[in-house]
Amino acid sequence: DAGVTQSPTHLIKTRGQQVTLRCSPKSGHDTVSWYQQALGQGPQFIFQYYEEEERQRGNFPDRFSGHQFPNYSSELNVNALLLGDSALYLCASSSRGELSGNTIYFGEGSWLTVV
Amino acid sequence: QKEVEQNSGPLSVPEGAIASLNCTYSDRGSQSFFWYRQYSGKSPELIMFIYSNGDKEDGRFTAQLNKASQYVSLLIRDSQPSDSATYLCAVRGEFSGGYNKLIFGAGTRLAVHP
Repeated sequence: DAGVTQSPTHLIKTRGQQVTLRCSPKSGHDTVSWYQQALGQGPQFIFQYYEEEERQRGNFPDRFSGHQFPNYSSELNVNALLLGDSALYLCASSSRGELSGNTIYFGEGSWLTVV
Repeated sequence: QKEVEQNSGPLSVPEGAIASLNCTYSDRGSQSFFWYRQYSGKSPELIMFIYSNGDKEDGRFTAQLNKASQYVSLLIRDSQPSDSATYLCAVRGEFSGGYNKLIFGAGTRLAVHP
């Protein structure tokens, strides 16, 4: 049973470029959340997708957008990259109907460096 | 005021001692509380979660919750060098709408020295 998988694991982009990060949730999960973790900080909630719609959004600009596909996988897109977007991007999967904390699983993350 | 606050540390304890990690939160309606361990360069790993006031024990770990004081802690008994990591406190708010949104603190760095 595969856990949460993310790709790519590391990438370097130039300011102003656009990036797409991908996430496949754990089998049986239907909800995907994205978090940004800057160095020395805790993860910050970006947004959450369920049934292919954005359900909740954190305090992030519109440059951050996402998508969820019918197979529950998800993409995070960031446009017009800034140096401050350099961070570890974490995908978390869970089940909409399950509120227990032990059903939230994180992927290994995608390290984004903007130069 | 930050929603979830933790002392950044580092908290340095000798091997075999008890490490005590603390966290306060601002949303009085918060319902669920989580402790994650994060090794350098890795993603967070869930250690424990707690919903009810009081203590919850799992092996060497004990989580303590006091909703009246809006305070949650993690005790690690018989600390080992392998426990050296950053410990993240996370809270799920009252208005998550069932979508499991977590609010994290900045983490406390724990260093266990032999």
